Amino acid sequence: AQKVTQAQTEISVVEKEDVTLDCVYETRDTTYYLFWYKQPPSGELVFLIRRNSFDEQNEISGRYSWNFQKSTSSFNFTITASQVVDSAVYFCALSSSTGANSKLTFGKGITLSVRP
Amino acid sequence: DAGVIQSPRHEVTEMGQEVTLRCKPISGHDYLFWYRQTMMRGLELLIYFNNNVPIDDSGMPEDRFSAKMPNASFSTLKIQPSEPRDSAVYFCASSGQTSNQPQHFGDGTRLSIL
Repeated sequence: AQKVTQAQTEISVVEKEDVTLDCVYETRDTTYYLFWYKQPPSGELVFLIRRNSFDEQNEISGRYSWNFQKSTSSFNFTITASQVVDSAVYFCALSSSTGANSKLTFGKGITLSVRP
Repeated sequence: DAGVIQSPRHEVTEMGQEVTLRCKPISGHDYLFWYRQTMMRGLELLIYFNNNVPIDDSGMPEDRFSAKMPNASFSTLKIQPSEPRDSAVYFCASSGQTSNQPQHFGDGTRLSIL
C-alpha cells in the first residue's frame, strides 16, 4: 500500500523567512511519481511539481525548491524568502506507475501561514 | 486554455434530496477523477475514468453515490438520497493520457446537506 506522511500540520513564519515542508512516502514500487499541490484560501488545488523516482536531481523554480532523496523516502519543499501570498495548504502526493495512470495518494496537508 | 470546469460552485440542499455535481474536463485529457475533501478524512479519491470508462470506483462510499461519463467532455457525480455526512468539497480533476501526468483540478463544489 502507498502512504504519504506530512508530519507537520501547521507552520507559521514571518515574511521573508525560509520554510521547509516535509514529505515522507512509502511505496513498494520501483517506479513512482511524486507531486506537490498548493491549496490557497480560495480553495482550488494548484499543481506545483512532478518528479519521477529515477530523477533525484533537486529542482528550483524561483523561490521554490524541491529536495528528493530516495534513501530517506523524502520529497521536501522549501520556500525561500516567504511571502504572505504563500499562505496556503500544501499537499504532497504519490502515484505508482502501474497501469497507464494511477491513483494519487495524498498526504494530510500542511497549513502554512506567512505573517507580514 | 480553459481548465477543469465544475458546477455548481456551491450547493445547499436538504437531506434526502438528489444532488448532481457536474464536471467538464480539459479538452484532450483522457482521465477524469472525482475527489472528496473533508477536514476529517482529507482528500479522498472516489472514482476515476479513462476514455469515459470507470476504472476504479473503490472509493465510492456507498450505493447512494454514482458517477457517469457519457462523453469525453462531461461527467456527473450524483448522490441520492443525500445525507448531512455527505457535506464536503467535491473536486473533479483531469489528466493527459501519458503515464502519471499531473492532474489538474477544478475549483470544486462546496456541498452542504442540511
